[in-house]
Amino acid sequence: EVQLVQSGAEVKKPGESLKISCKGSGYSFTSYWIGWVRQMPGKGLEWMGIIYPGDSDTRYSPSFQGQVTISADKSISTAYLQWSSLKASDTAMYYCARGGGYNYPQGAFDIWGQGTMVTVSS
Amino acid sequence: DIQMTQSPSTLSASVGDRVTITCRASQSISSWLAWYQQKPGKAPKLLIYKASSLESGVPSRFSGSGSGTEFTLTISSLQPDDFATYYCQQYRAFGQGTKVEIK
Repeated sequence: EVQLVQSGAEVKKPGESLKISCKGSGYSFTSYWIGWVRQMPGKGLEWMGIIYPGDSDTRYSPSFQGQVTISADKSISTAYLQWSSLKASDTAMYYCARGGGYNYPQGAFDIWGQGTMVTVSS
Repeated sequence: DIQMTQSPSTLSASVGDRVTITCRASQSISSWLAWYQQKPGKAPKLLIYKASSLESGVPSRFSGSGSGTEFTLTISSLQPDDFATYYCQQYRAFGQGTKVEIK
């Protein structure tokens, strides 16, 4: 079965760092883009960025460039989203999702993780 | 960056109704348009990719059309399981969502 399994919910304080994960299985992890999508409470979906685990080519939304870091460890089929200094406004559900093949960074997200809820509160 | 504008924001409909949701791009995007369904507390689910291709396992009452800057998602006969929020997406941009409610 093709699936993405994300790490569990996190509760952090402002200023703390965080790295959440997304592990792929059931397919060639290095052959498809992995994207990250934010959904703030009661709001819509926001595209944050994508990474191609095969060569770590990474593309960010201008809204998230410099705010987060997307990375991947292809040896363990895992992608990551990390923050160096969290803010209360980072409170949201974060989804990873599988995109298209290398030549299709604009491809649709066909497989989604279950989501990781990040709560930032003092 | 390209902006995606969905309409309407909310739609009230009854079981059996034909429902159409529109997504407009701020510039031409060829056919690189996807549609997703999201239910409360769940991850989005891909319905349509490349504007009109039905994702495997998705009921045939869902269809997509359009190219360039204007696209539509149509549900031919609304079923109880279809009450949800729908999003269009082009690469880096999602539409703001359309909530389909029970009339």
